Amino acid sequence: DGGITQSPKYLFRKEGQNVTLSCEQNLNHDAMYWYRQDPGQGLRLIYYSQIVNDFQKGDIAEGYSVSREKKESFPLTVTSAQKNPTAFYLCASSARQYSNQPQHFGDGTRLSIL
Amino acid sequence: GDSVTQMEGPVTLSEEAFLTINCTYTATGYPSLFWYVQYPGEGLQLLLKATKADDKGSNKGFEATYRKETTSFHLEKGSVQVSDSAVYFCALSPEGGYQKVTFGTGTKLQVIP
Repeated sequence: DGGITQSPKYLFRKEGQNVTLSCEQNLNHDAMYWYRQDPGQGLRLIYYSQIVNDFQKGDIAEGYSVSREKKESFPLTVTSAQKNPTAFYLCASSARQYSNQPQHFGDGTRLSIL
Repeated sequence: GDSVTQMEGPVTLSEEAFLTINCTYTATGYPSLFWYVQYPGEGLQLLLKATKADDKGSNKGFEATYRKETTSFHLEKGSVQVSDSAVYFCALSPEGGYQKVTFGTGTKLQVIP
């Protein structure tokens, strides 16, 4: 079955450390997204990519970085510049050019500070 | 810009009660509208969608009708079950190709036996 795989499910970060969250999809989707979810705040867009080797900042990109070297993969790095990284991170994908197509989500990574 | 407003939760219902979760939106043209559901510790799953005015999306007993005149997409279910307990998100995707999807803040539903 096609889907999106996020790993790890739980991640702990030490002060001053960068950590990378993995997101892989086998849906052959062009577009991929990273969201941050905090209690009571819904989903906030961090970065998105419409095609390989191209990505754009979302609403809360500061302290995060991404790469899109392969269609299937869109890893997110939470850098030490992100001062409040504790949150639930969701990766999603969709067919690029059709606005009536839904986004497909992974099961998320919960990041906490040690 | 685009926006989605959902009723605040939590919503607590007894099993077999009728459910309505209100959702209104602001957008130009004819966006596509979606309801997603999130179970504890999981990602979002598409529940239903509607892509043009007066369309009714339905799935697993849930329904929502795209009302252009009231810019609404309210979620309904005639008889909820304990297994329906989750957080429900309304979302819109703007008309005309890729643009940012806008999500509501989510409504938590708790169904008690």
